[in-house]
Amino acid sequence: DTEVTQTPKHLVMGMTNKKSLKCEQHMGHRAMYWYKQKAKKPPELMFVYSYEKLSINESVPSRFSPECPNSSLLNLHLHALQPEDSALYLCASSPWGVSQPQHFGDGTRLSIL
Amino acid sequence: SQELEQSPQSLIVQEGKNLTINCTSSKTLYGLYWYKQKYGEGLIFLMMLQKGGEEKSHEKITAKLDEKKQQSSLHITASQPSHAGIYLCGADRLSGSARQLTFGSGTQLTVLP
Repeated sequence: DTEVTQTPKHLVMGMTNKKSLKCEQHMGHRAMYWYKQKAKKPPELMFVYSYEKLSINESVPSRFSPECPNSSLLNLHLHALQPEDSALYLCASSPWGVSQPQHFGDGTRLSIL
Repeated sequence: SQELEQSPQSLIVQEGKNLTINCTSSKTLYGLYWYKQKYGEGLIFLMMLQKGGEEKSHEKITAKLDEKKQQSSLHITASQPSHAGIYLCGADRLSGSARQLTFGSGTQLTVLP
């Protein structure tokens, strides 16, 4: 059982829709991450939040908008996505600091029509 | 940037056989992580290695980090169908005050009963 919970597990949306992905952890971790994973590829980092502040944005298009309302929650707001944005979106969390393993959720499978 | 190369890309073994997966870095590794992923699911943390020469074991899986800290290996003894999945090595990459994790391309393991 994963300690990082992501909802929904699956999402199908049109290119004009607005939706949000949610991630929750109760391990007291102060770093949270969003990754994008295409089929047969490793996860690619999108965003890093540390102490609820955005630390890293890996040049992600503005149609992806992250939000960290508190230390346990991480959202990814989606708007006007493209078909190439279809992927598995993974959330992870870790204690803040060097060399601490990240714990991953089961991901949201996103399909853009 | 940190580049991690994994080999082999895929591996098919008979149940009960031993196997080794390698992860080679172009730079010195300061934190090396092994994860396992079932298709379409999240990453499961296996082990973390930090010190040159370090070796860790969990059940039938052993991971080592060589003395020069540029290569790691993952060894599975007496493989079982439950070991099947994608194995990913990941390395810490510092960016300013934030940590990032970059992954190798993964090794797809199939264990035949």
